[in-house]
Amino acid sequence: GAVVSQHPSRVICKSGTSVKIECRSLDFQATTMFWYRQFPKQSLMLMATSNEGSKATYEQGVEKDKFLINHASLTLSTLTVTSAHPEDSSFYICSARTTSGGYYQETQYFGPGTRLLVL
Amino acid sequence: AQKITQTQPGMFVQEKEAVTLDCTYDTSDQSYGLFWYKQPSSGEMIFLIYQGSYDEQNATEGRYSLNFQKARKSANLVISASQLGDSAMYFCAMKNNYQLIWGAGTKLIIKP
Repeated sequence: GAVVSQHPSRVICKSGTSVKIECRSLDFQATTMFWYRQFPKQSLMLMATSNEGSKATYEQGVEKDKFLINHASLTLSTLTVTSAHPEDSSFYICSARTTSGGYYQETQYFGPGTRLLVL
Repeated sequence: AQKITQTQPGMFVQEKEAVTLDCTYDTSDQSYGLFWYKQPSSGEMIFLIYQGSYDEQNATEGRYSLNFQKARKSANLVISASQLGDSAMYFCAMKNNYQLIWGAGTKLIIKP
């Protein structure tokens, strides 16, 4: 099956610092990756769609200057939380979409997630 | 508007019993895809099964099967012979253009 890695798995940082999270598709190329945020006991909230070689598409209400996304290659997307504050503490999870099968069968495979705690 | 509804916030099931997790969806599209994901306490989202709107047969993947009733707009997940390791959150999702629409999830706990 398709494998997606995410690093780091946990990070604790001081308020005001920036944190970079990497998402890699290990055994397939992903022209599209997605970044989600998940609050405790809630469903996934899509933050942005990352397309290789172009600017990310952000969902309404997500600050693009706060959450910088770079999709530099077909296997790597990064999310940088700039000037992190305690309210940014959350579980961030990425996914990469395969292109096999029909359009509606394109499956998103997820990384293991990153737990961010901002003190 | 497109929407996924999971009406069971939590379920307790005895080990080895079969369990059905409910999912209903709302869409005006003729073509769509439905997915189920499992999220254990570790946080990783694990893809379980896919059903296309034009698939005539219900999808099956090992112990997982999808009871797809298109007229009722339901896509229930059936887990046969439940195991302790099945304890997790389960999310139903629908493909909408380029993204997935997610349900609120069902927390399944398997009792020994």
